[in-house]
Amino acid sequence: DTAVSQTPKYLVTQMGNDKSIKCEQNLGHDTMYWYKQDSKKFLKIMFSYNNKELIINETVPNRFSPKSPDKAHLNLHINSLELGDSAVYFCASSQDLRTGGSYEQYFGPGTRLTVT
Amino acid sequence: AQSVTQLDSHVSVSEGTPVLLRCNYSSSYSPSLFWYVQHPNKGLQLLLKYTSAATLVKGINGFEAEFKKSETSFHLTKPSAHMSDAAEYFCVVSGYPNFGNEKLTFGTGTRLTIIP
Repeated sequence: DTAVSQTPKYLVTQMGNDKSIKCEQNLGHDTMYWYKQDSKKFLKIMFSYNNKELIINETVPNRFSPKSPDKAHLNLHINSLELGDSAVYFCASSQDLRTGGSYEQYFGPGTRLTVT
Repeated sequence: AQSVTQLDSHVSVSEGTPVLLRCNYSSSYSPSLFWYVQHPNKGLQLLLKYTSAATLVKGINGFEAEFKKSETSFHLTKPSAHMSDAAEYFCVVSGYPNFGNEKLTFGTGTRLTIIP
């Protein structure tokens, strides 16, 4: 059983398009995250949600908008895609610290976005 | 704020020889520390974690790491490298120990190459 899943695995699109990446976790976790990994493998957090509430919002262009319909899902919508958005995007989840969780995060397989 | 520095961007060892991947951290409190591994075109997998219990932490696949507060280090070791260990390794430090800021800060990664 896949703990954290993302769709699609690969996404190739043209500049100016709007696209979405979906993430689902079946671990019963309360907190979900989006990370961006650039071409040099550097990973940086973008957003985190706890029980559908936005908790962390790093300095990310407002073309990126996360949406959490329920605590098991966190989707990432990107408007007006730019060449610099090309990267691998990882979703992750963790248990709430307040309910005995730790900082350990479980990552999805990643979505490789290529903007041409 | 917390930060982590991985001292080597690339390490090559021969199969069967010891592995040492170096990591130094900076934090104004007692952090949680992690090592994650990323195999080519795969997601991130947790190798091991330190959360203020025993300073010598054992992980999966024969890896271990020692938390040394006086040296602010959390080096990853393995006695005998295997071909399947070839991957990118990330040292990670946790966010502030308060709910709402559980973000992880990643090092820049160390690429481990195993020579047959």
